[in-house]
Formats: sequence, C-alpha cells, structure tokens
Amino acid sequence: NAGVTQTPKFQVLKTGQSMTLQCAQDMNHNSMYWYRQDPGMGLRLIYYSASEGTTDKGEVPNGYNVSRLNKREFSLRLESAAPSQTSVYFCASDDRQGPAEAFFGQGTRLTVV
Amino acid sequence: AQSVTQLGSHVSVSEGALVLLRCNYSSSVPPYLFWYVQYPNQGLQLLLKYTSAATLVKGINGFEAEFKKSETSFHLTKPSAHMSDAAEYFCAVSERFSGGYNKLIFGAGTRLAVHP
Repeated sequence: NAGVTQTPKFQVLKTGQSMTLQCAQDMNHNSMYWYRQDPGMGLRLIYYSASEGTTDKGEVPNGYNVSRLNKREFSLRLESAAPSQTSVYFCASDDRQGPAEAFFGQGTRLTVV
Repeated sequence: AQSVTQLGSHVSVSEGALVLLRCNYSSSVPPYLFWYVQYPNQGLQLLLKYTSAATLVKGINGFEAEFKKSETSFHLTKPSAHMSDAAEYFCAVSERFSGGYNKLIFGAGTRLAVHP
C-alpha cells in the first residue's frame, strides 16, 4: 500500500533551471495538494486540485505551475527556479468531503543555488 | 480567514513527563481540527482529529487533545513522554471551500525534544 509517492526525494538546481516534481496516489482520492514547508512557517499551500481536470491557486502560487494529469497524478513545475524556492515540498491527497484525513508523501527537498 | 497559532516553537521535556503542546485557532464556523506529527525526513502523519463529536479526542501513540470552544483551543497532551515522541507537531484547521472540499491551514509547528 504505497499511499502518496513523490519523486525525486532530493534535488539541487541552479537559478533559472526548470524541473517538475511528480506525485501519485493510489487511494482513489479526488483532491490533491502541493505544500511547501519552510522553517518556522509550517506548511503553506501552493496549489490544489479538487478533482481531476481542475486546479486552483493556494496561498503561495507565484513561480509555480501544476498539472492534474489524471485522478492519480498531480505534478508541480518550477519554470525558472529561484533561491527563494529552496524548501521541502509535500504532496498530499484526501477524500475531499468533510473532515477527511490528508495523506502526505515523504517530501522533496529542493535546493536552488 | 481561519488561522492557527502554536505557542512555543520548541518544547523540551524529560522522559516520563507530561507533554503539553498548545494550539489556538480562529474560525467563524465550527471547525475541523487536526494534529499531525512529522518525524525527521518524513512526511506528516495524522495523530488525531476533532470533528464535532466528543470534545476529548484520543489519537495514536497515547496522545489526546481537548477541544475547548470558549478558549478556541485544541491542546495536545500525553501523560508520559517517550524518547520516540521526539518530532515536530503541527496543528491544523480545515477551511471549507465552496464545492464542499477542504484546505488545511497549518500552524508553524512545535518541535518536541525528549531527554533522558
């Protein structure tokens, strides 16, 4: 039972490079989320997808784009990485309705130099 | 907008001592509240959640939390700390969107250290 799987686990980018973070869930959840975690700030929502085919901005969407490829997969793209995007990124999914428990991936630790 | 405040970014206790991690929330409607734990280099794992049933909620690993509406608090406790409880703990409130889905608003987190 894999749950939420993120790749890669670690990445170092140079300023201006692009990359895509991949996320897949096998729990048949409708909703998927991308968060970033920075020291002393908790987790902040970047983008979310309430269902297949829809995406919406969260609190901190600037510099990011997302794609909900199908019900299982939700990717996060950095078009031109900046040092301010150095962070730990988490993908999560839940059942959308009511007080659903969100399940998190293991995280991607991204450093932009 | 809903928000969560966790008092104390770092808490240190002795093994066997009481653990108390504080969380206050703001919400204009009855909230759903959560505590998550994050062990080093791992994702977040649900400890417990409040969904308007019992005000005292029991979770995994001996943790519990009490919802107090008058104090807008949802503090996390454990009677006796274990070395394995050392981790970062996040309180979260669920903000409801139109369309029936939810977004988790997280506090800044509290790092718990347990010493012998």
